[in-house]
Amino acid sequence: ILNVEQSPQSLHVQEGDSTNFTCSFPSSNFYALHWYRWETAKSPEALFVMTLNGDEKKKGRISATLNTKEGYSYLYIKGSQPEDSATYLCALMDTGRRALTFGSGTRLQVQP
Amino acid sequence: DTEVTQTPKHLVMGMTNKKSLKCEQHMGHRAMYWYKQKAKKPPELMFVYSYEKLSINESVPSRFSPECPNSSLLNLHLHALQPEDSALYLCASSLSLAGGPVDTQYFGPGTRLTVL
Repeated sequence: ILNVEQSPQSLHVQEGDSTNFTCSFPSSNFYALHWYRWETAKSPEALFVMTLNGDEKKKGRISATLNTKEGYSYLYIKGSQPEDSATYLCALMDTGRRALTFGSGTRLQVQP
Repeated sequence: DTEVTQTPKHLVMGMTNKKSLKCEQHMGHRAMYWYKQKAKKPPELMFVYSYEKLSINESVPSRFSPECPNSSLLNLHLHALQPEDSALYLCASSLSLAGGPVDTQYFGPGTRLTVL
């Protein structure tokens, strides 16, 4: 069973703050890392799929980096807004199973 | 249209009932998935269908029976469930399994199941 860990578990920030959180995973058999944003009562929304070591992806104020050799990915949000409040999930796809293993998520709350 | 729909949104059932969860997508995706999420835990994969054939069964008890009658539809038949099966059941789809690691999985909003 793969162990995908996310930290912190939850985060409270003020509007305008920039923030980041971490996804750690076993680096062996790495195939891809997926990031999702999940608002309460809605569908998880795909943010990024990352495959290459050193990869950086950006979507508006949200960006992500990937280090496959040391087994971690960072998600950054610049200038947080209340609408960024959600749970951010990372999920690892490994070469063996070819299915996603999710972390427990980081719950972000942005106070106006 | 990147929408995956799931019905019903909520379901309450007794341990002797038989019910079904339904998932539908019209994106032409050929891989479909069922996940189970218990409170404060990550989603866990249950089943994967590829081209309407069961590809992965994560040792799920037989009281959960998946069915993929066509490329757009995925069902999960429930029978003789236990209270510990109460959870959010998520459906997802992706272009195909052969597409590899970069294929995004698109999720539905889930069915909240309560077993009494």
